[in-house]
Order: sequence, then structure tokens, then C-alpha cells
Amino acid sequence: AQTVTQSQPEMSVQEAETVTLSCTYDTSESDYYLFWYKQPPSRQMILVIRQEAYKQQNATENRFSVNFQKAAKSFSLKISDSQLGDAAMYFCAYGLETSGSRLTFGEGTQLTVNP
Amino acid sequence: DVKVTQSSRYLVKRTGEKVFLECVQDMDHENMFWYRQDPGLGLRLIYFSYDVKMKEKGDIPEGYSVSREKKERFSLILESASTNQTSMYLCASRLTESNSPLHFGNGTRLTVT
Repeated sequence: AQTVTQSQPEMSVQEAETVTLSCTYDTSESDYYLFWYKQPPSRQMILVIRQEAYKQQNATENRFSVNFQKAAKSFSLKISDSQLGDAAMYFCAYGLETSGSRLTFGEGTQLTVNP
Repeated sequence: DVKVTQSSRYLVKRTGEKVFLECVQDMDHENMFWYRQDPGLGLRLIYFSYDVKMKEKGDIPEGYSVSREKKERFSLILESASTNQTSMYLCASRLTESNSPLHFGNGTRLTVT
């Protein structure tokens, strides 16, 4: 079974600084997708970024980027120029390259942004 | 924008009650999911459905059942609520394509007393 591990229950960062959230996963598959979701206090889960395992290039979305290390099964999220609105619970998720596949989530990392 | 609507934001039920959590999506998504969210455990999959009248067990199906009579609606049923089912419940839907993201509802915080 696939597992996703986020080893940092809590992280904090100063506004305008950069922070990296860690995620590792365990799988024997070669084709899969990885996602980072954000859950602010409103509870609405929001997709932050996604990465296809077959792509070597790391995904980026504005201030958000990933460091995808397939051999190490690592998928970290880097938030640059942190803003107060980035404060949220962040979840890493894994899904197989099959239609309609379920996603497996990590435990989550609570990010605090200090002004 | 895809909208996933969960019928209740907060719910308080008594032990032994039968509880229905309703979820409706408006974008014709084939796949729908029920997750449970607990501190330190992340999101755990309870049940999911690939199509109308189809259902598959997730990682923690015990004590739950589901119903999908129409494509847009996916219901989670607690046959006899227990205190250990106090939790946040999140419904989600997605297209069949493997890289399509999950779209979530706002969650139902259920308290069983």
C-alpha cells in the first residue's frame, strides 16, 4: 500500500521569507501524480500544485514550487516570499496513474506565518 | 468553478443514531470520495465511488456505508453513530483523468455525544 509521510507537524516562517515543507512517500509504482493541498481556517481544501512523476522538471506556480526527487521518493514544497494568507494546513497527496484513482494523503503540516 | 456542497457544516448527534451526510457536486464528475480528517492523521479515505450505484471501500470503512443513486450525489451513512466517529468529514469529487485534482466540499464537523 502506498503511504505518504509529512514529518513536520508544525512549521513557522517570517513574512517575506522562504519555507520548505517536507513530504516523502512509499510506492512501488513508476507512474503516479503528487499534489500539495492547502487548507486555511475556512476548511476549504485548495489545490496548490501538482507534479507528474514522469516529468523531470519541477512544477512551479507563482511563489510555490516543488523539489521532486523520484529516486528518493521525496516531494517538498517551497513557498517563497511568504504572505500572511499562506498560513494554513498543508497536505501532500499521492495518486496512481490510473483513471479515477484515489488519493492518499499525508498527516499535514500546520504553517504559521509571523508578521 | 466546480462546486461541491456538503449539506451541513456542523452536526451534533447522539450515540446510536443513524446519521446521513450528504454531498452534491455540480460538474458531472464520475468519481466521488468521502474522507475523514483527524488531527495528526491527515485525511483517511472511507469510501469512494466511480459511478452511479458503484462503491469501493477505502482504508477505514468500518461503521460506515455509502449510497450513490445519482451521479451528482454521494451520501455517507453512519448506521449507529459512536463517539469515535466524532470527526471532520470531507467530501470530494474529480474527473476520471488521473491527473485531475480533487475538488472538496467545506467539510462537516460531526460530534457524537
